Amino acid sequence: QKEVEQNSGPLSVPEGAIASLNCTYSDRVSQSFFWYRQYSGKSPELIMSIYSNGDKEDGRFTAQLNKASQYVSLLIRDSQPSDSATYLCAVFNYQLIWGAGTKLIIKP
Amino acid sequence: DVKVTQSSRYLVKRTGEKVFLECVQDMDHENMFWYRQDPGLGLRLIYFSYDVKMKEKGDIPEGYSVSREKKERFSLILESASTNQTSMYLCASSLAFNRGDEQYFGPGTRLTVT
Repeated sequence: QKEVEQNSGPLSVPEGAIASLNCTYSDRVSQSFFWYRQYSGKSPELIMSIYSNGDKEDGRFTAQLNKASQYVSLLIRDSQPSDSATYLCAVFNYQLIWGAGTKLIIKP
Repeated sequence: DVKVTQSSRYLVKRTGEKVFLECVQDMDHENMFWYRQDPGLGLRLIYFSYDVKMKEKGDIPEGYSVSREKKERFSLILESASTNQTSMYLCASSLAFNRGDEQYFGPGTRLTVT
């Protein structure tokens, strides 16, 4: 059974700090990795995609992939209250497997 | 920008009714998906389609069927709605399934079956 695991949270982070969200996956040959943000009552929206080992930065967001450890993370720098949401990790190898999400709360 | 629209934001139906949920995307995407999302269970794939008139079962197809007569439109059908089908239903589309392309979601339909 292919699995994607995330801590459900909530993860509480002070405004302006770095929020670190983690995701592990079981399928060693997974090819593509995605982070989605979902506000309460809304649909998921794509934040980042990453395909190779290392870091990928986009504004305040950095995705980190370590295929050897089967681990992908999302860092949010200078966290803002508007970043408060549930963050979903998704991993692809012939099918997209979703984690259950981590609820992030940014406290002003 | 990719735009995925769903026919209703909120829907209330009675047990035993036939329910149609429609989804339309305007970016010529090959692949379309139907998910349901329930608290604590995350996103679960019901059906997906990688081409017109093609469909594949996802993880929880029981009680559902789908139709894709045109590339841009993917419909989810609840043949006889039951209370355990009360959920948020999300439609998504992506350009090319076998590359694991990003999925783009519609706004969702919150269905209540009474």
